[in-house]
Amino acid sequence: QQQVKQSPQSLIVQKGGISIINCAYENTAFDYFPWYQQFPGKGPALLIAIRPDVSEKKEGRFTISFNKSAKQFSLHIMDSQPGDSATYFCAASGSGGSNYKLTFGKGTLLTVNP
Amino acid sequence: GAGVSQSPSNKVTEKGKDVELRCDPISGHTALYWYRQSLGQGLEFLIYFQGNSAPDKSGLPSDRFSAERTGGSVSTLTIQRTQQEDSAVYLCASSYLPGNTEAFFGQGTRLTVV
Repeated sequence: QQQVKQSPQSLIVQKGGISIINCAYENTAFDYFPWYQQFPGKGPALLIAIRPDVSEKKEGRFTISFNKSAKQFSLHIMDSQPGDSATYFCAASGSGGSNYKLTFGKGTLLTVNP
Repeated sequence: GAGVSQSPSNKVTEKGKDVELRCDPISGHTALYWYRQSLGQGLEFLIYFQGNSAPDKSGLPSDRFSAERTGGSVSTLTIQRTQQEDSAVYLCASSYLPGNTEAFFGQGTRLTVV
């Protein structure tokens, strides 16, 4: 059972455009939703994270939108740049028992064309 | 060290041999995770350690896989009788607290079974 579903699998955006990646989760015990960015040959690095007490969080060009009732969250990259080309993973975790571990989506390969 | 350190960075082994992968987490981090990432794929959870609690081994794919964490710090992932399908990047991550806090990843160990 896949607890975090991520789409699209790949995304091509022109420089300056908006990149949008979506994730949906099933486990209502999840209360922490990070996004990780991974460049080839590197480990994933935390980009931005949100908790369910807010519906949106913005850091620079990166924004997470969170819809608790729909159990969905998304990453928006404004003014996308070629340097943003990477694989993006959404994840979720919670408190207690097996919820502690980060459960990842399958990733989105973003390509930003110059 | 400043970050999560994994060794070796690359490992080529013959089918049937045992391998040990090492992870040095960030000092003071109580939680430690192992994930596996196959080529172009997402992050597959393997095992999670939290302090002195019993590890969550629910992600280990077979009894050929085992892991230990000594003294609440360094962890070793052991794969016995390696198979070609074990070829992947093995990623270690640590976090200060369990669950909903930032997890920091190492660069990974690329394992190739020939």
